[in-house]
Amino acid sequence: GQQVMQIPQYQHVQEGEDFTTYCNSSTTLSNIQWYKQRPGGHPVFLIQLVKSGEVKKQKRLTFQFGEAKKNSSLHITATQTTDVGTYFCAPGGTSYGKLTFGQGTILTVHP
Amino acid sequence: GAVVSQHPSRVICKSGTSVKIECRSLDFQATTMFWYRQFPKQSLMLMATSNEGSKATYEQGVEKDKFLINHASLTLSTLTVTSAHPEDSSFYICSAGQGATEAFFGQGTRLTVV
Repeated sequence: GQQVMQIPQYQHVQEGEDFTTYCNSSTTLSNIQWYKQRPGGHPVFLIQLVKSGEVKKQKRLTFQFGEAKKNSSLHITATQTTDVGTYFCAPGGTSYGKLTFGQGTILTVHP
Repeated sequence: GAVVSQHPSRVICKSGTSVKIECRSLDFQATTMFWYRQFPKQSLMLMATSNEGSKATYEQGVEKDKFLINHASLTLSTLTVTSAHPEDSSFYICSAGQGATEAFFGQGTRLTVV
């Protein structure tokens, strides 16, 4: 599968601060997915990005796919304690459900 | 969204014994399922692709004789960890895809080998 580098590995923020995680690839990606895993839980699909330069929003979450389709980011505005968890990017594979995950960013939100 | 159910959620076993983990697609048929392993504070690593009615495809470095996969029906895949040892202690999780976009994950199984 396609490899990606995800940074940072950890992020601690105060509630209300913003948060961003980045996913970078050395090769062009056909698409990229983002998942959230709560502590002790399983990954839950957030979104898929397909088009060059695509920007999608889900309430306080903003997802971007770079123009070259080699990088992507997830930005959370005004974090809340419910945002705690690990956020993974995953380049889309040819077989749905077969994923190669980034290293993940563990987000801690201090109240 | 589609529902994938995994059982058991937690299991503790003695070293040398075998453990079977079940993964079921509850509201759709899954000809292909995937098994991942996740160590604490690490990412999910794909172990194998489970194919209904045929042999599983294992990722490089995964011992097929140790991690037996059976996918006998369109809604059930099982992973058996044979002769488990403490280093096999991990979070095992299955997934299946439906349609064109996302993967649906089971709840995961936390295996502790003592």
